[in-house]
Amino acid sequence: EPEVTQTPSHQVTQMGQEVILRCVPISNHLYFYWYRQILGQKVEFLVSFYNNEISEKSEIFDDQFSVERPDGSNFTLKIRSTKLEDSAMYFCASRPGTGGSPLHFGNGTRLTVT
Amino acid sequence: RKEVEQDPGPFNVPEGATVAFNCTYSNSASQSFFWYRQDCRKEPKLLMSVYSSGNEDGRFTAQLNRASQYISLLIRDSKLSDSATYLCVVNPRISSASKIIFGSGTRLSIRP
Repeated sequence: EPEVTQTPSHQVTQMGQEVILRCVPISNHLYFYWYRQILGQKVEFLVSFYNNEISEKSEIFDDQFSVERPDGSNFTLKIRSTKLEDSAMYFCASRPGTGGSPLHFGNGTRLTVT
Repeated sequence: RKEVEQDPGPFNVPEGATVAFNCTYSNSASQSFFWYRQDCRKEPKLLMSVYSSGNEDGRFTAQLNRASQYISLLIRDSKLSDSATYLCVVNPRISSASKIIFGSGTRLSIRP
């Protein structure tokens, strides 16, 4: 069964550094998403992406965040200058463009900012 | 009112029991609904979609009440492996890449 893949599984970075989290969505999916989950808290929407542009973003997704689909397969989330409070699990998800299809999640990247 | 609201639990029930979770959503125009389960420090995994007429998948039954903006999940004959957090998920607009909203989750613990 096709799956969403995310790399790395764990990223440790120092405050103020830039990080890029990578995702390969399922190949025939059209809608792409990033969510984050701070330990012990809920799954929070960050951004959705379709047709090479952002469809919707949350208030969390400020100027420090950006997303890109640099080629036909990768979907990346960049955090320009990480803060301690960016420490969380970051999940990439995708879904087909058909109707009320569900999200398929990758295994996540655990980001630790020290 | 929260966009998607769930009782956080925890529910602690014996193996073999029947347990029910509820979820309410605020946007009456919401179009599709799901239950996911999440194990500790893992990604959410789709348990089942929720259809207007209600649907069943083995020991799991989901119901949708659009008038009350309410979704439920019933687990019969619970197993130890059902211990997880159950997430209610709502998609307000199926025809676009709009925000899909997660509830805070209900923790379930099955004891032997």
